Amino acid sequence: DTGVSQDPRHKITKRGQNVTFRCDPISEHNRLYWYRQTLGQGPEFLTYFQNEAQLEKSRLLSDRFSAERPKGSFSTLEIQRTEQGDSAMYLCASSLVGAGEKLFFGSGTQLSVL
Amino acid sequence: DQQVKQNSPSLSVQEGRISILNCDYTNSMFDYFLWYKKYPAEGPTFLISISSIKDKNEDGRFTVFLNKSAKHLSLHIVPSQPGDSAVYFCAASLGGSQGNLIFGKGTKLSVKP
Repeated sequence: DTGVSQDPRHKITKRGQNVTFRCDPISEHNRLYWYRQTLGQGPEFLTYFQNEAQLEKSRLLSDRFSAERPKGSFSTLEIQRTEQGDSAMYLCASSLVGAGEKLFFGSGTQLSVL
Repeated sequence: DQQVKQNSPSLSVQEGRISILNCDYTNSMFDYFLWYKKYPAEGPTFLISISSIKDKNEDGRFTVFLNKSAKHLSLHIVPSQPGDSAVYFCAASLGGSQGNLIFGKGTKLSVKP
């Protein structure tokens, strides 16, 4: 079990640029989640996939955000035209349907928009 | 509107004593509750959970209590150790097809040697 892997760990970008993050879940897990966490807050749900289907999206996920999980394995989260308010820790998690509600989180990607 | 609330931003206890972290929720449809622990620059790690049909779950030094009538749960750590110093998040799930967890804002626990 290699755990959930996220890349990059840190990303600094200028306002208006596009960024893309990658998440590799635990291999046998069929659900994959994206969360965002800002200072002093708990993780906030953005979206989740079951296999390659995106089943739910939060109101927080504006049209500048898009997530994909093309083959039901790794996932990417893209933010277009970044804004300073996008600065946050972006967390990926995975789980196995039927194995309880427990999510396994990666170490996150810290995004700073200048 | 926050459905999961952790009203104490921080807690400081002496090593060897009991740590009690509290969590309140507003949605009576939550059917599963979890506690996560987070160290700086790392993702949250699962600690312990409880189903809504139970009122207590114990795992070593960690016990979670659920009071459904009060919509309140608590995490007890006995005895507390310096390595327990971290931010603790309470989370709740609606279960079924609702895949996501809803988190509180966290409580920072400091265990003093």
